Amino acid sequence: EIVMTQSPLSLPVAPGEPASISCRSSQSLLHSNGYIYLDWFLQKPGQSPHLLIYLGSNRASGVPDRFSGSGSGTIFTLNISRVGAEDVGTYYCMQALQTPYIFGQGTRLEIK
Amino acid sequence: QVQLVESGGGVVQPGKSLRLSCAASAFTFANYAMHWVRQAPGKGLEWVSLISFDGNEKYYADSVKGRFTISRDNSTNTLFLQMSSLRREDTGLYFCVSSSFGLDVWGLGTTVTVSS
Repeated sequence: EIVMTQSPLSLPVAPGEPASISCRSSQSLLHSNGYIYLDWFLQKPGQSPHLLIYLGSNRASGVPDRFSGSGSGTIFTLNISRVGAEDVGTYYCMQALQTPYIFGQGTRLEIK
Repeated sequence: QVQLVESGGGVVQPGKSLRLSCAASAFTFANYAMHWVRQAPGKGLEWVSLISFDGNEKYYADSVKGRFTISRDNSTNTLFLQMSSLRREDTGLYFCVSSSFGLDVWGLGTTVTVSS
């Protein structure tokens, strides 16, 4: 089973400032087809999660371009170029290379 | 718009069974793999199970393997999760999720409480 480790677990950010969340996997998420099977989700308070980034770096439909995903192999990053109040919530990475799919512990982003 | 609506949650005693349903609408359900993801109170997300678009392939988290069964009825656009031998640690909000590129459509969830 692949282990997913996120950091930090709590992230206070001032409005308009950038934010970065790291996710590490215990084995490479690079498939032989060349795709990286790493997704990012945001769960806003009181809501269902929603998909932000799929296959490592592809923004899901409707996701603002201030969100970006990067990384390769076992180390991945979600970047938010300018944090706004609407970005508050818990961010999760998830490996989808093999079952069981595994989520990271979550990173709680709050506004300073 | 694309919608997933879960139902069937409730309060159940340990060791008992429960069947969750998820009604899909406004998309071609039979074309997409489907998942169940759960969230214990105040905790993070846990992937539970996956079924292929045609129902031929099924996968489970180790924590539910042998106790939970995922299935689907493409004629009625419905996903199911049959849960048996329920444990207190199965308590949580259960989400139905469809996947095309990533797990991209989530329902609002149905709550399962396992308690005596």
